[in-house]
Amino acid sequence: DVKVTQSSRYLVKRTGEKVFLECVQDMDHENMFWYRQDPGLGLRLIYFSYDVKMKEKGDIPEGYSVSREKKERFSLILESASTNQTSMYLCASSLPPGGGIKTQYFGPGTRLLVL
Amino acid sequence: KQEVTQIPAALSVPEGENLVLNCSFTDSAIYNLQWFRQDPGKGLTSLLLIQSSQREQTSGRLNASLDKSSGRSTLYIAASQPGDSATYLCAVRSGGNQFYFGTGTSLTVIP
Repeated sequence: DVKVTQSSRYLVKRTGEKVFLECVQDMDHENMFWYRQDPGLGLRLIYFSYDVKMKEKGDIPEGYSVSREKKERFSLILESASTNQTSMYLCASSLPPGGGIKTQYFGPGTRLLVL
Repeated sequence: KQEVTQIPAALSVPEGENLVLNCSFTDSAIYNLQWFRQDPGKGLTSLLLIQSSQREQTSGRLNASLDKSSGRSTLYIAASQPGDSATYLCAVRSGGNQFYFGTGTSLTVIP
């Protein structure tokens, strides 16, 4: 059974704190993604990674950074949390185009509240 | 840039009714299109994936169609049940590793 796990389901942080969100997948997927989901805005891509140590900015990378030191793990970092980063954060993984089943698998999400 | 639109934003139907959810996209150069289900406060669960070369996919009471030339997909749900209540999202994969999502249709099936 394929699995994407996220380190926390709920998180409460204070403005200015450094926040780490971790995602682990057990499917040996090359691609991993971080999205945030807000009411009325849908899912928006923050960053994605297509290989270890490789990353590309998505649509809304400002205020975020990522780390991919191992294939199975993709971390999202909020350098200095702000209240407008309160959101649901979803991690996903997939195979690259051209190989195998091309679906995207999602973790359960982390609901982050920044006070 | 690919844009994905879902109509309607919300839908409420009595149990047993057949229904159709719509998804449209602006760039027909896609690898595939996927329909997801999301329950409140949860992650996304993949329902159906249609490759760009396919016209439709079926799974149980669900049938998804794809018309790439017109930039449209529909998700047909037969004999709806209260357990089908959720938000349904469509996403297209284009530009290699990028997935573009619609804002979803919130479905309520009334017992």
